[in-house]
Amino acid sequence: KAGVTQTPRYLIKTRGQQVTLSCSPISGHRSVSWYQQTPGQGLQFLFEYFSETQRNKGNFPGRFSGRQFSNSRSEMNVSTLELGDSALYLCASNPDWEETQYFGPGTRLLVL
Amino acid sequence: QQQVKQSPQSLIVQKGGISIINCAYENTAFDYFPWYQQFPGKGPALLIAIRPDVSEKKEGRFTISFNKSAKQFSLHIMDSQPGDSATYFCAARRGGNNRKLIWGLGTSLAVNP
Repeated sequence: KAGVTQTPRYLIKTRGQQVTLSCSPISGHRSVSWYQQTPGQGLQFLFEYFSETQRNKGNFPGRFSGRQFSNSRSEMNVSTLELGDSALYLCASNPDWEETQYFGPGTRLLVL
Repeated sequence: QQQVKQSPQSLIVQKGGISIINCAYENTAFDYFPWYQQFPGKGPALLIAIRPDVSEKKEGRFTISFNKSAKQFSLHIMDSQPGDSATYFCAARRGGNNRKLIWGLGTSLAVNP
C-alpha cells in the first residue's frame, strides 16, 4: 500500500503570498490531520478532517485553512504568508479502526 | 503552556547502552500515549504506544513505562544501536473522536558506534 504523499516537497514563497499544500492519505483512511513542525515549537496541531468535515482545530490564526475532498485527499492553505510560517508541514492519516497516525514526509515551506 | 514536557532535549549513548527519554503530562483526560521516531527528511513514524491501564509495554528493544499517579511515561531503548540515532517524540491524546496529538518537543538521540 502506498504511504501518505505530500506535494510539493519544498516551496519558497515571499511574505504576503499565499500557498496551498496537498496531501493524499493512505487508501481507505478517512481522517487526515495537519501539523506544523518548527525547531522551537515542535509539532503543533493545525486541524483534522474526517469525511470532508473539519472535526478538530488547533490554535492557529484564520490565515490557516484546510479542506478535504470526497476521495479523502486534503489541502491546506495559508494566506498572507509571514516569515514565521516557515516550517515543515506534516500531514497524517488515520484508519477508522486504529489509533496510529501515519505521516507523510512533509512539505518544507520557506517564507522570505 | 507545554502540556507534554519531554526531557532530555538531547542524548548521547554508546552502542549497546540504554537510552531513556522521559515525558510528563498535565491533563488527566489523556488516554493514549504514543512515541514517534523521526529521521531527517522523513515524517514521524509510530514506534510504540500505551494506554493508562497498563504500566509497561515492550516491543523488541523498546519499552514504555507508564506511571499514572505521577503523570509520567518514559521510553527505554535497550541495546541502543547507531541506527537508532533519530529524534524521538512523546505525545498524548484525549479520548473520543479526536485525533489531535499533543507533542513533546523531542529528544535528539545519537548512538555512538
